[in-house]
Amino acid sequence: NAGVMQNPRHLVRRRGQEARLRCSPMKGHSHVYWYRQLPEEGLKFMVYLQKENIIDESGMPKERFSAEFPKEGPSILRIQQVVRGDSAAYFCASSTRHEKLFFGSGTQLSVL
Amino acid sequence: SQQGEEDPQALSIQEGENATMNCSYKTSINNLQWYRQNSGRGLVHLILIRSNEREKHSGRLRVTLDTSKKSSSLLITASRAADTASYFCATDRLKESGGGADGLTFGKGTHLIIQP
Repeated sequence: NAGVMQNPRHLVRRRGQEARLRCSPMKGHSHVYWYRQLPEEGLKFMVYLQKENIIDESGMPKERFSAEFPKEGPSILRIQQVVRGDSAAYFCASSTRHEKLFFGSGTQLSVL
Repeated sequence: SQQGEEDPQALSIQEGENATMNCSYKTSINNLQWYRQNSGRGLVHLILIRSNEREKHSGRLRVTLDTSKKSSSLLITASRAADTASYFCATDRLKESGGGADGLTFGKGTHLIIQP
């Protein structure tokens, strides 16, 4: 049973470009969470999704950031017009309910 | 300060000693969880303790929860070099509306170094 798969592992973008981060949850998991982590910091909650629905996006910046979890395919975190401050590690986690989370290895986004 | 703050920020001990980390939180919770993160990796779930539990064990791990003080502790006994990592507590907050919880809220972590 494969774990939570995130890709790419590393993503480099120039300012103003778009970044797309993908997350395939563990088999059988219908809850997906995205977190952002800055160096030497904890994880900051961004968004919680179930299939085709955004349940809680209280941690998402109001502009440039969006997330989806379509009926088929991975969950996507999309950052438009990236700025240097978006550089961080983005982690996806999945669960069957609001308890034990299984994390992917993260995507390290670097904005030049 | 944020929900779920670990203390100390960093801890360095000798292999074989016990390591204790603490976590404080602010709001009522459904459960509290501890996770470990090795450098550059995702978090790994260690243990979950529910709000009606006071103590829980898993191998060399012992977790306590004091809801009256809104605090928890993680004890790692007989530490090993492989225990070197950052440890985070995470709370699943109890919504006032009773309509379930939003995502887990993590603290900034305790960086544990086990010296051989």
